[in-house]
Amino acid sequence: QKEVEQNSGPLSVPEGAIASLNCTYSDRGSQSFFWYRQYSGKSPELIMSIYSNGDKEDGRFTAQLNKASQYVSLLIRDSQPSDSATYLCAVPTSGTYKYIFGTGTRLKVLA
Amino acid sequence: GAGVSQTPSNKVTEKGKYVELRCDPISGHTALYWYRQSLGQGPEFLIYFQGTGAADDSGLPNDRFFAVRPEGSVSTLKIQRTERGDSAVYLCASSGQAGTEAFFGQGTRLTVV
Repeated sequence: QKEVEQNSGPLSVPEGAIASLNCTYSDRGSQSFFWYRQYSGKSPELIMSIYSNGDKEDGRFTAQLNKASQYVSLLIRDSQPSDSATYLCAVPTSGTYKYIFGTGTRLKVLA
Repeated sequence: GAGVSQTPSNKVTEKGKYVELRCDPISGHTALYWYRQSLGQGPEFLIYFQGTGAADDSGLPNDRFFAVRPEGSVSTLKIQRTERGDSAVYLCASSGQAGTEAFFGQGTRLTVV
């Protein structure tokens, strides 16, 4: 079992729809969770962080965390073509805090 | 500085040569991370510094790879006897403290020919 798992996609959604991206992790002791957006040929850009169970909203983005299920998700409301990118889930391990990344989910927003 | 800075942006080297990649983190950030990313993959952890010391170097693939951060700020990733399989984008990130938001530099694209 990989430490951080994501569906590689591509996930295609029409413009204006809600995109839902999911991530599961194996380290029960992890305390912080991050979503990064990566455009082709660019480096990852931090878009959301979440530390507590529940939802955290920032503009069109909502991160959801369920530590009991070891599951973190990212919702993008009113998706725009400019949201088309790869979304990476990152989870620092308990103990040493090295950030483990999933392989990323490629999102395509269709105009 | 305002963001994480990596130099050079691109590096082409011949197989067997030695290369150094530099990372200048966000000012005041104590944690610094090196990752390697190949096409279609997520970033692969290499090494993490807390201050001057390597807190976790479990991701370094072999003893050809080495990294230093002598003054707790700038870090250098050193690769000896480069191989074609070392070709990738090398990413550096820093965070104010371990486990908090980490910010990436623009990366160094290393090509070994």
